[in-house]
Amino acid sequence: SQTIHQWPATLVQPVGSPLSLECTVEGTSNPNLYWYRQAAGRGLQLLFYSVGIGQISSEVPQNLSASRPQDRQFILSSKKLLLSDSGFYLCAWSVDAGAGEQYFGPGTRLTVT
Amino acid sequence: GIQVEQSPPDLILQEGANSTLRCNFSDSVNNLQWFHQNPWGQLINLFYIPSGTKQNGRLSATTVATERYSLLYISSSQTTDSGVYFCAAPVSLNEKLTFGTGTRLTIIP
Repeated sequence: SQTIHQWPATLVQPVGSPLSLECTVEGTSNPNLYWYRQAAGRGLQLLFYSVGIGQISSEVPQNLSASRPQDRQFILSSKKLLLSDSGFYLCAWSVDAGAGEQYFGPGTRLTVT
Repeated sequence: GIQVEQSPPDLILQEGANSTLRCNFSDSVNNLQWFHQNPWGQLINLFYIPSGTKQNGRLSATTVATERYSLLYISSSQTTDSGVYFCAAPVSLNEKLTFGTGTRLTIIP
C-alpha cells in the first residue's frame, strides 16, 4: 500500500532563517506531488505541484520554492523565512494520469518567530 | 477558476444526531473529494465521488454533477466525528484541487 511521509512534524524558525521541508511517498511510481499551505485552520492553498522529476509548477508567487530531486521526493524550501510563512504545510500525491484522487501526508506545522 | 462553497461554516450537534453538509461548485467537475481534518491536522479521505452516491458506514455522500453540488451525510454522530470537513474539486484536466473553506463540526457528548 502507498504511504506518504513528511518531516519534520513541527518546526519553529526565526525570521530570515532557511527552510527545508521534506515529503516522500512509498509504494507507487511517478506520482503527481503537491505542496499546500493551510493558514488559520481553514482553506488549503496549492503552492506547487510536480508531474515528474525536476518538473515544478508554481501556483502562487512567494518566498518559497520546491524541488523534486527523486521520483518520490518533494522538497519545499526557502532561503529566508518571513513571518507570513507560518502555517501548516501539507504534501499530497495522486496517481499520474489516473483517478485524480489526492492523498495527504500528516503535515508540518511551521511557526516563524 | 472554479469556486467551491461549503455550508454551514459551523455546526454543533449532540452526540447521536444526524447532519448534512453541503458543497456547491461553480463549474462542471470531473472529480469531487470529501475530507475530514482531525484535531491533529491530518486530512483523511472520506469519499471520491464525481457523481452518484456512496456509503461508508455511518457516512454517505451524494454528488449531483448536473446541479453542481455534493452532500455529505453523517448519521448517529460520535465525538470522534468532530473536526473540519472539506470538499475539493479539480481545476479541469490537470487535477489541481480547489478546496472549499470547510465546515467545522463539533459533536457534544
